[in-house]
Amino acid sequence: GAGVSQSPSNKVTEKGKDVELRCDPISGHTALYWYRQSLGQGLEFLIYFQGNSAPDKSGLPSDRFSAERTGGSVSTLTIQRTQQEDSAVYLCASSPQLISSYEQYFGPGTRLTVT
Amino acid sequence: GESVGLHLPTLSVQEGDNSIINCAYSNSASDYFIWYKQESGKGPQFIIDIRSNMDKRQGQRVTVLLNKTVKHLSLQIAATQPGDSAVYFCAETSGGSNYKLTFGKGTLLTVNP
Repeated sequence: GAGVSQSPSNKVTEKGKDVELRCDPISGHTALYWYRQSLGQGLEFLIYFQGNSAPDKSGLPSDRFSAERTGGSVSTLTIQRTQQEDSAVYLCASSPQLISSYEQYFGPGTRLTVT
Repeated sequence: GESVGLHLPTLSVQEGDNSIINCAYSNSASDYFIWYKQESGKGPQFIIDIRSNMDKRQGQRVTVLLNKTVKHLSLQIAATQPGDSAVYFCAETSGGSNYKLTFGKGTLLTVNP
């Protein structure tokens, strides 16, 4: 079946511009997560959507970052007034939230380069 | 806050050897652990998981060992192959209704032919 998809795969933008990154989770998965991964680093948690509950935004690094999830499916991560330090790979994951497993299924990521 | 970390950031092995990747965690409430493999340019992929009521779990060529006494997790890869070259992450959660994973920093495994 189809996995998690993300678009675009690569995005180059100028400093100060806004960008939108899209994530299409696996159909039926109730949870959706965004992570940031800088070159050679681990996964930095950004935000977590769980069903109809209020999202966990505790990982967003500044108020320039925001995300929404429409209709419990597609999610968009928006970065306003991009800075060079925002350059990273942005990963999206989804999970079915089963009692038997806490596995998250990851997309291929969007590589963001701010020039 | 509590975190999950790794002892070794890089590991280089010869093809055919066994590999052991280690992970330390600090949250005593951690109940569920996962190992992920991330190849270059790709998202992390699930390898194996283990619950805190187990000490060992085996998959295909992989074994995860959990030592709750010292809060230590390891991933053993048997007969390591060039295709095993990747970054390996451990992750944990306290379980229950908490579906948020805390990831370790990762270990880069390089398999030399």
